[in-house]
Amino acid sequence: GAGVSQSPSNKVTEKGKDVELRCDPISGHTALYWYRQSLGQGLEFLIYFQGNSAPDKSGLPSDRFSAERTGGSVSTLTIQRTQQEDSAVYLCASSLIQGANYGYTFGSGTRLTVV
Amino acid sequence: AQTVTQSQPEMSVQEAETVTLSCTYDTSESDYYLFWYKQPPSRQMILVIRQEAYKQQNATENRFSVNFQKAAKSFSLKISDSQLGDAAMYFCAYRSPVTQGGSEKLVFGKGTKLTVNP
Repeated sequence: GAGVSQSPSNKVTEKGKDVELRCDPISGHTALYWYRQSLGQGLEFLIYFQGNSAPDKSGLPSDRFSAERTGGSVSTLTIQRTQQEDSAVYLCASSLIQGANYGYTFGSGTRLTVV
Repeated sequence: AQTVTQSQPEMSVQEAETVTLSCTYDTSESDYYLFWYKQPPSRQMILVIRQEAYKQQNATENRFSVNFQKAAKSFSLKISDSQLGDAAMYFCAYRSPVTQGGSEKLVFGKGTKLTVNP
């Protein structure tokens, strides 16, 4: 596609339920990133995928969070047993190649509300 | 670890005037990249301008320019001839150079909310 696509745009879920957030990066972009933006905060790095390399999961806040990237394209971020503190906007970004000195192309995010 | 600080939670400017948004960062690296992103209510982060640390010349993109002071670890954004469409959250971000087996990730400040008054 022409841009990074994220779905759903908004998600309301009950505490304790699992949620899946989807990111469809720009075709041909080998690097994919997930960030979390909590109210009034900057963007917090969660996880990074680059080609066939092992992902950098250093930003995942707990073992309730996991992500996968299938076929080097679409990525899914899964949050198990959601908590109220998981409420945030989850942003996905992709970039063409590792080491590029330009920034990333972001999607419009998924706003997750845990009630 | 690198940190990015934006000391102005909110700023306002009159249409057609000039405004400067501040950003400082902390790093022990000598080579890195700096970015300013704009986030309108649509939530999508839009790259405004970028600067390579090894370049002494300040980056410029139309009405947007930066004042990069490497020794002071300062990277401010100047918006000239402000327009109503410039109203948004602005985030400063830092990125390390890629190292062998390393990972790229942007480190963001907490943002500055810019209001443009007609």
